[in-house]
Amino acid sequence: AQRVTQPEKLLSVFKGAPVELKCNYSYSGSPELFWYVQYSRQRLQLLLRHISRESIKGFTADLNKGETSFHLKKPFAQEEDSAMYYCALSGQGAQKLVFGQGTRLTINP
Amino acid sequence: DADVTQTPRNRITKTGKRIMLECSQTKGHDRMYWYRQDPGLGLRLIYYSFDVKDINKGEISDGYSVSRQAQAKFSLSLESAIPNQTALYFCATSDPVVGYTFGSGTRLTVV
Repeated sequence: AQRVTQPEKLLSVFKGAPVELKCNYSYSGSPELFWYVQYSRQRLQLLLRHISRESIKGFTADLNKGETSFHLKKPFAQEEDSAMYYCALSGQGAQKLVFGQGTRLTINP
Repeated sequence: DADVTQTPRNRITKTGKRIMLECSQTKGHDRMYWYRQDPGLGLRLIYYSFDVKDINKGEISDGYSVSRQAQAKFSLSLESAIPNQTALYFCATSDPVVGYTFGSGTRLTVV
């Protein structure tokens, strides 16, 4: 079964502190993993796609197939990072996405 | 110049009423999706369509139906709305190279 688990519903850190949003998945095969961000009252935006290996807005995520994890990290949080973050997976070739429950990140000044 | 447009943006309806949410796209993507977003549950897939003649149920299709009128249009209907269908609904399109594009969402309240 395809499943994405984000164990933290809420995460609060201070500005300048490191951030790690956890994501674990289960999937039989080779999934594509994504992180999406949703700022207040806005549409979901793609933040990272594991196959592109990019760093967006200072965020990075490494796919760990042994631990079936795709944690999102940023070394120094900024106030504008406050948002809802969703981890998601799909099969190869942009098939239907399966989302985690989401983590609301709050960056305190 | 939105790529994926959803109408209406907000809607309040009464229990038992039929309601249609519309989605249109200018991306030229064959694949379209309807998701609902609920606090603490993330986004769950209702229906998806990989081309005009292809309609598939998602994780939570009960109480919903869809129509793919054209490549660019994918409508979601609630045949008889009930309060637990109160949610934020997102339409999305996808392409294997570009990935997903989401609409701005429709906030539906069933009273």
